[in-house]
Amino acid sequence: GAVVSQHPSWVICKSGTSVKIECRSLDFQATTMFWYRQFPKQSLMLMATSNEGSKATYEQGVEKDKFLINHASLTLSTLTVTSAHPEDSSFYICSASAQNEASVEQYFGPGTRLTVT
Amino acid sequence: AQTVTQSQPEMSVQEAETVTLSCTYDTSESNYYLFWYKQPPSRQMILVIRQEAYKQQNATENRFSVNFQKAAKSFSLKISDSQLGDTAMYFCAFMKPDYNDMRFGAGTRLTVKP
Repeated sequence: GAVVSQHPSWVICKSGTSVKIECRSLDFQATTMFWYRQFPKQSLMLMATSNEGSKATYEQGVEKDKFLINHASLTLSTLTVTSAHPEDSSFYICSASAQNEASVEQYFGPGTRLTVT
Repeated sequence: AQTVTQSQPEMSVQEAETVTLSCTYDTSESNYYLFWYKQPPSRQMILVIRQEAYKQQNATENRFSVNFQKAAKSFSLKISDSQLGDTAMYFCAFMKPDYNDMRFGAGTRLTVKP
């Protein structure tokens, strides 16, 4: 089946620094990738949608200058949290879909736990 | 905007018994997709079952089945013969056909007791 990986699986960074999270589709071409944030004991909240070669579309309330998303290839999307603060600590999950298939399924990565100290 | 409501924050069931998780949603769309996802302690999202709104037949996947009531905007998940491995968070999700708008409910924490 379709596999999506994320790297790193967990990261600790100091307040004010930036951190990059990678999301890769390993065995299919992902025309669209999605980034979600999940706080402890809460649901997944969509942050942004990125289509390969286009600028990401951010959900209302998500700062696009703080959460930089790049989807430069059909197998890789990156999320960069700039000038991270403790309130950015969360679990970040990406998913990918291949719109050239009949399936509408999104394939989820294993997530990245970000802790900002 | 679409909203998804799961009114049961926590549920428990004895092993081998049946449990039903509730989900309601609000939309003005006529065509859409509904999903149930399982999130075990590893936090990997696992697709349990999918329902297409234009299909009247309820989806089933082995021990998992749904009761899809389009007019009532209800989408419940029934787990039969519950197993200890079914212990997890379960999220109901709604998606429009343009693939760009998956919304999740708040989740139901299910515990299967031996």
